[in-house]
Amino acid sequence: DTAVSQTPKYLVTQMGNDKSIKCEQNLGHDTMYWYKQDSKKFLKIMFSYNNKELIINETVPNRFSPKSPDKAHLNLHINSLELGDSAVYFCASSQEGQGISDEQFFGPGTRLTVL
Amino acid sequence: QQPVQSPQAVILREGEDAVINCSSSKALYSVHWYRQKHGEAPVFLMILLKGGEQKGHEKISASFNEKKQQSSLYLTASQLSYSGTYFCGTDGLTDKLIFGTGTRLQVFP
Repeated sequence: DTAVSQTPKYLVTQMGNDKSIKCEQNLGHDTMYWYKQDSKKFLKIMFSYNNKELIINETVPNRFSPKSPDKAHLNLHINSLELGDSAVYFCASSQEGQGISDEQFFGPGTRLTVL
Repeated sequence: QQPVQSPQAVILREGEDAVINCSSSKALYSVHWYRQKHGEAPVFLMILLKGGEQKGHEKISASFNEKKQQSSLYLTASQLSYSGTYFCGTDGLTDKLIFGTGTRLQVFP
């Protein structure tokens, strides 16, 4: 029974295209996150949502737009994809509503390759 | 702003010990440790909250010195399953984790 799931697992697309990654958690957590892990394995926060409300919006190009239809889902839409967007994108969730003294549960990741 | 981990890489034989350090330039409220195996998602190991506590998790333990803004992860009697990349994540009461530069650990038989 998967706790945090992401689709698709792999995404290969051309520059300039628009794509979406979906994330769902069945843990009943209040907070969800998007992270980007680049080729050097640096793991960087992009966004976090608490109960559908945007809490963290790091310095991310506005081509990236997260959407949380309900607290169990957090999707990431990317417009006009660029080569530099190639990375592994991880969704995560945690119980804690504010502060981060809780563990985060990560999804399996979506490897995005922009050609 | 990103915490610096040292060493960058460690190679061990089964049964050997290792220490991974995490150092931040900012005041910390908590430190989280995660392990990521190749091609997989990061998996939570432990959290240390402000107070300088030490925690243990089987043969993996950690300490947190908030005055020095540092944390160390101790792996004793390493097993093959310990191989992976270890990340510290630091929280300065900003509602977000800043992950460290990572330490790649390889354990050989």
